Amino acid sequence: KQEVTQIPAALSVPEGENLVLNCSFTDSAIYNLQWFRQDPGKGLTSLLLIQSSQREQTSGRLNASLDKSSGRSTLYIAASQPGDSATYLCAVKHSGGYQKVTFGTGTKLQVIP
Amino acid sequence: NAGVTQTPKFQVLKTGQSMTLQCAQDMNHNSMYWYRQDPGMGLRLIYYSASEGTTDKGEVPNGYNVSRLNKREFSLRLESAAPSQTSVYFCAAVPPEFSGVVPLHFGNGTRLTVT
Repeated sequence: KQEVTQIPAALSVPEGENLVLNCSFTDSAIYNLQWFRQDPGKGLTSLLLIQSSQREQTSGRLNASLDKSSGRSTLYIAASQPGDSATYLCAVKHSGGYQKVTFGTGTKLQVIP
Repeated sequence: NAGVTQTPKFQVLKTGQSMTLQCAQDMNHNSMYWYRQDPGMGLRLIYYSASEGTTDKGEVPNGYNVSRLNKREFSLRLESAAPSQTSVYFCAAVPPEFSGVVPLHFGNGTRLTVT
């Protein structure tokens, strides 16, 4: 059974700092990995999607990397801003089957002005 | 904001009551999912519908039923609510060309409390 872990569960950083969020998964037979942002009381907004054949994806100040062999992904946020405060979740889509997607429990980020 | 719309946004039920959570999408996507989100447990798949007229169980289907009456709408029904079903429920839609390139689209959730 695929398990997805995100550590730390919560992170507080001063504005302007570069930071890394971690996502680990137990089964490397994945189809893709997706990073989401969730604001309080809201649904999930997709940030970046990395296919299993890719090593990284970039969007603005965000960079996500994927190392399938070690079962790890990182989300790098450059020059953090208070508006980046949210919960960040990673999700892996399994190879084969009915497109099952397993979510991590998230990292709650607070960027302090 | 077009996309996936869930109703109601909030609901309080007493144990044993029934209710239906509604989800509608205007993106013409084939597949729709229902998830529940609980503290410390991530999102867990309750039911999914790969296409109109078909539904299948996910990871935690017990206590729920679903209905995919048309391509736009996918409803989740609690026949006899239990306190363990207190959660935030999310509906998601997936485009037909989903091969891992296009992301899931989520609604804003329904916050359900069962007393």
